[in-house]
Amino acid sequence: DIVMTQTPLSLSVAPGQAASISCKSSQSLLHTDGKTYLYWYLQKPGQSPQLLIYEVSSRFSGVPDRFSGSGSRTDFTLKISRVEAEDVGVYYCMQGIHRDTFGQGTKLEIK
Amino acid sequence: QVQLVQSGAEVKKPGASVKVSCKASGYTFTSYGINWVRQAPGQGLEWMGWISAYNGNTNYAQKVQGRVTLTTDTSTSTAYMELRSLRSDDTAVYFCARYTSTTAFLDSWGQGTLVTVSS
Repeated sequence: DIVMTQTPLSLSVAPGQAASISCKSSQSLLHTDGKTYLYWYLQKPGQSPQLLIYEVSSRFSGVPDRFSGSGSRTDFTLKISRVEAEDVGVYYCMQGIHRDTFGQGTKLEIK
Repeated sequence: QVQLVQSGAEVKKPGASVKVSCKASGYTFTSYGINWVRQAPGQGLEWMGWISAYNGNTNYAQKVQGRVTLTTDTSTSTAYMELRSLRSDDTAVYFCARYTSTTAFLDSWGQGTLVTVSS
């Protein structure tokens, strides 16, 4: 199985400050079709996960533009430019190239 | 709007089986797949498998392969996840999620079903 490793596992950010989460995969997520199958999900407290970013950097419908994704092959980053209170929760990266696997999750709290 | 509504919480004994349902509405059921993801108490997300609602093709995680069966009933737009030979470490919230084959993302999720395995 492809192993997804996130860092840090937790972070505390003041409102209005930036946050960054790293995700590394044990294999390249670049498919022969040219797409890179890396996604970011947010699970807010007590809720089901919700899709934020697909194919590394495309924001899903309704996701604020303060969220951005970048990276390639095995190294990826999710950035929140200005953290808001509603952004608290656990962020997961996920690979979809072969038998989906998730990272361990990164818990974001507000200072 | 797209909705996935799952069946209620279950309590099972070790060795038993459980079948969780996921009823879809608001879209053409056979145009998408359904993934199943579980989350043990206080833990992260674990992908269990995928089924195409179009042709019934499946793909399972190695960890549960042989114990899990995913099925769909297109007449009722409902997906099912059956897990057999339950163990205490199968205690988790089980989520279904709609899968879009063109982009491979999970864009709508059910509310989750808590399955507790306890003697």
